[in-house]
Amino acid sequence: QKEVEQNSGPLSVPEGAIASLNCTYSDRGSQSFFWYRQYSGKSPELIMSIYSNGDKEDGRFTAQLNKASQYVSLLIRDSQPSDSATYLCAVNIDNAGNMLTFGGGTRLMVKP
Amino acid sequence: ETGVTQSPTHLIKTRGQQVTLRCSSQSGHNTVSWYQQALGQGPQFIFQYYREEENGRGNFPPRFSGLQFPNYSSELNVNALELDDSALYLCASSLAYNEQFFGPGTRLTVL
Repeated sequence: QKEVEQNSGPLSVPEGAIASLNCTYSDRGSQSFFWYRQYSGKSPELIMSIYSNGDKEDGRFTAQLNKASQYVSLLIRDSQPSDSATYLCAVNIDNAGNMLTFGGGTRLMVKP
Repeated sequence: ETGVTQSPTHLIKTRGQQVTLRCSSQSGHNTVSWYQQALGQGPQFIFQYYREEENGRGNFPPRFSGLQFPNYSSELNVNALELDDSALYLCASSLAYNEQFFGPGTRLTVL
C-alpha cells in the first residue's frame, strides 16, 4: 500500500510565528510533491510544488524535500489568521499516470 | 483564463440511483482527474482521462465510470449509488503530467 502520512493536528501557532507542516511517503520512486491548502467547505488550492531535493521558496511559503528520508515539509513564515486551513500533502507516486496520493491533511490554526 | 468548473454544486440522491457529474477543464489543459473526498479525509484518486482515453484508475469499483470529450470536458458517472458514496467529488485539470488544479467540487449526498 503506497501511503502518504500527515499529522492530523490541529497545529496551533500564534500570529507572526513560523508554522511547520510535515509529510512522509512510502514509495522511494516518487518524483513529484505538492502542497494544497483547503479551507473548510472549499476545494484544494495548489500552493507549492517541489521536484528536487532541497528548499523551494515562494513568498511566505517554503517547501522542503528530502528524498533519502522520504519526507516533505512546508514552512509558513509570518503566519496569519487567514492561513488557518487544512494543508494537504500530495505525492505523484505513479509517475506514468500522474495519479496524486494525498495524506489526510493537517489542520492549522493561527491565533491572533 | 477560465478555471476549472464543475456542475452541479450540490446533489441529493437515494440509494440505487445513478448520478452524472460534469467538469470543464481549465483552458489549455488536456488531462482531467477525478477524486472523491469523504468528510475529514484527503482526496482519493478515482481515475484520469488524457485525450479522451482513461489513463489510470484508483481502487474504485466499475460502477464508477467516466468520459472525456473532444473539448477535454469530462463526466463522472456513478451507478447503483450507496450511502458511502456521499462525499465531495473533485475534478482536477492539468496539462499532461504537470500540476493539477481543482474545481470547486460537487457535494453528493446519498440518502
